[in-house]
Amino acid sequence: DGGITQSPKYLFRKEGQNVTLSCEQNLNHDAMYWYRQDPGQGLRLIYYSQIVNDFQKGDIAEGYSVSREKKESFPLTVTSAQKNPTAFYLCASSRRDENIQYFGAGTRLSVL
Amino acid sequence: KQEVTQIPAALSVPEGENLVLNCSFTDSAIYNLQWFRQDPGKGLTSLLLIQSSQREQTSGRLNASLDKSSGRSTLYIAASQPGDSATYLCADKTDSWGKLQFGAGTQVVVTP
Repeated sequence: DGGITQSPKYLFRKEGQNVTLSCEQNLNHDAMYWYRQDPGQGLRLIYYSQIVNDFQKGDIAEGYSVSREKKESFPLTVTSAQKNPTAFYLCASSRRDENIQYFGAGTRLSVL
Repeated sequence: KQEVTQIPAALSVPEGENLVLNCSFTDSAIYNLQWFRQDPGKGLTSLLLIQSSQREQTSGRLNASLDKSSGRSTLYIAASQPGDSATYLCADKTDSWGKLQFGAGTQVVVTP
């Protein structure tokens, strides 16, 4: 089945630790996105990538980093510089010539 | 900066009643507008997409309208069912490459 796979479903971070969230898609989509969702708020864009080896900051990139070495993969690292990382993280992808974004099931990150 | 607002934040209706969900945006120069459904702890599923040149889109019991001049979109769900209980988010796209601006969503409960 084609789709977007995010792992893990739940993740816990200790103080000062970097953690990496995985996002893999087999839809052959060029563009990939990372969003953060907090209770009572809409999704906010962290980073996006329109092509391999290129990515751009979104609205709330501070404390996060990404890489796009393969078309299928767009991992997000939450660094120790992100002081309030507890949130639900969603990855999405889309074709360049299509307006619809397809979403993964999300990763819930909590701080220990 | 584009702002997207959804009011009310929560809504409860008895089964069989029609649902009317509102979405307003501040910048009328949108590329398109999308409605999504989100079940608790899950990712987003695209329901309907309306291009800026269109006034409405329909899919089964769902109908979405777009009025750019007033900065509003409305999602109608006919003859609601308990399975329609979810959070509904709208998002608009203000440029061609794909960045979405999300509302905070309306949480819907349909009671049997």
